[in-house]
Amino acid sequence: DAKTTQPPSMDCAEGRAANLPCNHSTISGNEYVYWYRQIHSQGPQYIIHGLKNNETNEMASLIITEDRKSSTLILPHATLRDTAVYYCIVSDNQGGKLIFGQGTELSVKP
Amino acid sequence: DSGVTQTPKHLITATGQRVTLRCSPRSGDLSVYWYQQSLDQGLQFLIQYYNGEERAKGNILERFSAQQFPDLHSELNLSSLELGDSALYFCASSVAPLGGGAAGELFFGEGSRLTVL
Repeated sequence: DAKTTQPPSMDCAEGRAANLPCNHSTISGNEYVYWYRQIHSQGPQYIIHGLKNNETNEMASLIITEDRKSSTLILPHATLRDTAVYYCIVSDNQGGKLIFGQGTELSVKP
Repeated sequence: DSGVTQTPKHLITATGQRVTLRCSPRSGDLSVYWYQQSLDQGLQFLIQYYNGEERAKGNILERFSAQQFPDLHSELNLSSLELGDSALYFCASSVAPLGGGAAGELFFGEGSRLTVL
């Protein structure tokens, strides 16, 4: 399984952009990068996914480097409700299961 | 509301007992996934089903078993329970299995919190 590496924690000021990095140097050609977040002990929530191109939706933007070995999730205007654990995941190429790592605990502060 | 329903939400039982957790996937989703989240292990993938067939297996203990029924709901059976089995158990569903070039969104339920005393 491809592995991801994320910083364990980050802080961000409310209203500022939150940039969450992820390394996935062993990613294979057709494996997608996914981002999920988990608020308290709620079920994880899908944010965005991408393969090669940068992606944007109503929640966030995903920037993937050209060599696909790393990516950055951008929350353009972080709010207190964005405080959560953010997981960067690379899909398993065989069975399609998503293997969650330890994630980044993002704290958005007033 | 993700559309994935898990029951029960909370369950307290004793060591050595057996419990069954139930999951109803979103309407139209054929694939079901089970995850375990304990304090010291994070989110651990247990098992995946697609249209009634087991598709992928993670570090699921032999004391645990699961199945997906013809109506697509799934059950996770945990037996000979130990204190260490206390955890949140999440079910997720997707339209089709991910991987192999296919991408999609997993929709997670709110989890079943199991406490083993």
